[in-house]
Amino acid sequence: NAGVTQTPKFRILKIGQSMTLQCTQDMNHNYMYWYRQDPGMGLKLIYYSVGAGITDKGEVPNGYNVSRSTTEDFPLRLELAAPSQTSVYFCASSYGRDLIAKNIQYFGAGTRLSVL
Amino acid sequence: QKEVEQDPGPLSVPEGAIVSLNCTYSNSAFQYFMWYRQYSRKGPELLMYTYSSGNKEDGRFTAQVDKSSKYISLFIRDSQPSDSATYLCAMTRLTGGGNKLTFGTGTQLKVEL
Repeated sequence: NAGVTQTPKFRILKIGQSMTLQCTQDMNHNYMYWYRQDPGMGLKLIYYSVGAGITDKGEVPNGYNVSRSTTEDFPLRLELAAPSQTSVYFCASSYGRDLIAKNIQYFGAGTRLSVL
Repeated sequence: QKEVEQDPGPLSVPEGAIVSLNCTYSNSAFQYFMWYRQYSRKGPELLMYTYSSGNKEDGRFTAQVDKSSKYISLFIRDSQPSDSATYLCAMTRLTGGGNKLTFGTGTQLKVEL
């Protein structure tokens, strides 16, 4: 059982380049999330989705875009990368239709991104 | 003021010690409280989940919630080197759309032989 899979694991971008961070889950979870984790700052929510075709902004959405065309996939797009986007990015999912289970988020292993 | 405060550590203890990890929060609307464990270069994984004030025990781990003081704790008994990780508290309220967790910054724990 793969759970939440993120690719790539590492990436170095030049300022102004674009890239897509991939996230896929095989647990049939309807809720999916993107976080960034910076040293000493905890996890900050970038975007989330409650189902295919539905996305919404989190705490720090500027500079990012998402789409959710299927239940399984939730890619995160960085346009015009900036040094401030150097971070570790985590994708997570949860089963949103159960009152308790929706609070239990399962995380991928993360993507380490450096923008130079 | 941050909604959730957590001492970043690092906290270093000898093997077998009792460890106490804590978070305070300011939003009285938070109802569900979680502890995630994150090993180096890995994603967080859920360790404990509690709702309402009181204690919940799972093996060597005990989660404690005091809503009146807006204070939650995680106790680890008989700590092991394999417990060395960063521990993140997280909490949420019941909301209509999308379940958003608010995380603490994490406490780095090292259990030494």
